Amino acid sequence: AQSVTQLDSHVSVSEGTPVLLRCNYSSSYSPSLFWYVQHPNKGLQLLLKYTSAATLVKGINGFEAEFKKSETSFHLTKPSAHMSDAAEYFCVVSDQGGNQFYFGTGTSLTVIP
Amino acid sequence: GAVVSQHPSWVICKSGTSVKIECRSLDFQATTMFWYRQFPKQSLMLMATSNEGSKATYEQGVEKDKFLINHASLTLSTLTVTSAHPEDSSFYICSAVRPSNYYNEQFFGPGTRLTVL
Repeated sequence: AQSVTQLDSHVSVSEGTPVLLRCNYSSSYSPSLFWYVQHPNKGLQLLLKYTSAATLVKGINGFEAEFKKSETSFHLTKPSAHMSDAAEYFCVVSDQGGNQFYFGTGTSLTVIP
Repeated sequence: GAVVSQHPSWVICKSGTSVKIECRSLDFQATTMFWYRQFPKQSLMLMATSNEGSKATYEQGVEKDKFLINHASLTLSTLTVTSAHPEDSSFYICSAVRPSNYYNEQFFGPGTRLTVL
């Protein structure tokens, strides 16, 4: 079975400092992994995805994530936080066929000016 | 990327009435669509999996007679909240799966906010 654990329910950083949002996954197969962002009262936007190609994945808005099989992790990072990054972030794993998608509980990112 | 729309974006209704929410994949065909419910400051909760041409598969605890799902075409799925009550007030989000040879990617609609008075 597939599952994801987002280790931090809330992260707070100062503007201009690095962002790290942690995600660990459990999967019986080689997984596909995604990070989505949701701004208040908005739908979900795909930041990036890993689908068994390069382990370092670059996404939109300066975000990137590294797939580490040995650590079963897919942490999301950004070198320098911007005020507009304040939002809810979800890590998602899909099953082998891509027919089911499992959400983490979300991490709320606050950016302090 | 692919586009998924939802209509309406926000609906307010009286208790006891039924509300229909539409989810459309605008530029691809989706054999599978998902319906989620999201409470404030919480993650998405999968309600049901909608497959074109067949009955929806509901998650445990979701009343299928309360939340009617119809996936009549490859680009449209509808969720009808029947006899809505204030506790049904929530943010409902659909997603459509675009299949490919390598992996199936999920595209989300912008969500529908339902307020039941």
